Amino acid sequence: NAGVTQTPKFRILKIGQSMTLQCTQDMNHNYMYWYRQDPGMGLKLIYYSVGAGITDKGEVPNGYNVSRSTTEDFPLRLELAAPSQTSVYFCASSPELTNLAKNIQYFGAGTRLSVL
Amino acid sequence: GENVEQHPSTLSVQEGDSAVIKCTYSDSASNYFPWYKQELGKRPQLIIDIRSNVGEKKDQRIAVTLNKTAKHFSLHITETQPEDSAVYFCAASITGRNNFNKFYFGSGTKLNVKP
Repeated sequence: NAGVTQTPKFRILKIGQSMTLQCTQDMNHNYMYWYRQDPGMGLKLIYYSVGAGITDKGEVPNGYNVSRSTTEDFPLRLELAAPSQTSVYFCASSPELTNLAKNIQYFGAGTRLSVL
Repeated sequence: GENVEQHPSTLSVQEGDSAVIKCTYSDSASNYFPWYKQELGKRPQLIIDIRSNVGEKKDQRIAVTLNKTAKHFSLHITETQPEDSAVYFCAASITGRNNFNKFYFGSGTKLNVKP
């Protein structure tokens, strides 16, 4: 299993450009998350999804959009990029909590984004 | 929402000494507390976790303790080694509707183990 795969690994954007950060997982997890990590800080939740077709806002959703058309894919869209969106973005997935399955998060390798 | 605070922000210890990192949380509904290790430029990796119905858990040199009454939990690393040097994050998770778990992270502790 590849786990959680993010692309691209690095990207430089100009102010006002848009881009999509890709995230895919092959563990058949229902739950997926997008976080941003600013230098020296913890992770902040941008958006999350509990299953295909269902998404919801996290703590810092402004300037971002997501979609979840399949269980595997959870892309994050940046419209009109701003310098404040310079950060490292992590996608994660976790299984649905049951008596047997632990709610462990599995992280992708991250996308380092700079907006200049 | 939940607020997780983590201390200290940096910690420097001599190889072989113990290291302790502390976190507090605000929402008594939090029921799962993972700890992650993040090496420079890498993804966070789960190193140990504890559920709210357990007070302590140990895995070799790493242990976590939880005090639900005081709403704090701690990571203990004994016999530290240079390869333990990394940033450590605590998190608190709340199970909401649809059994979905929201995770709230501390701001991280940079641990430096000096040889």
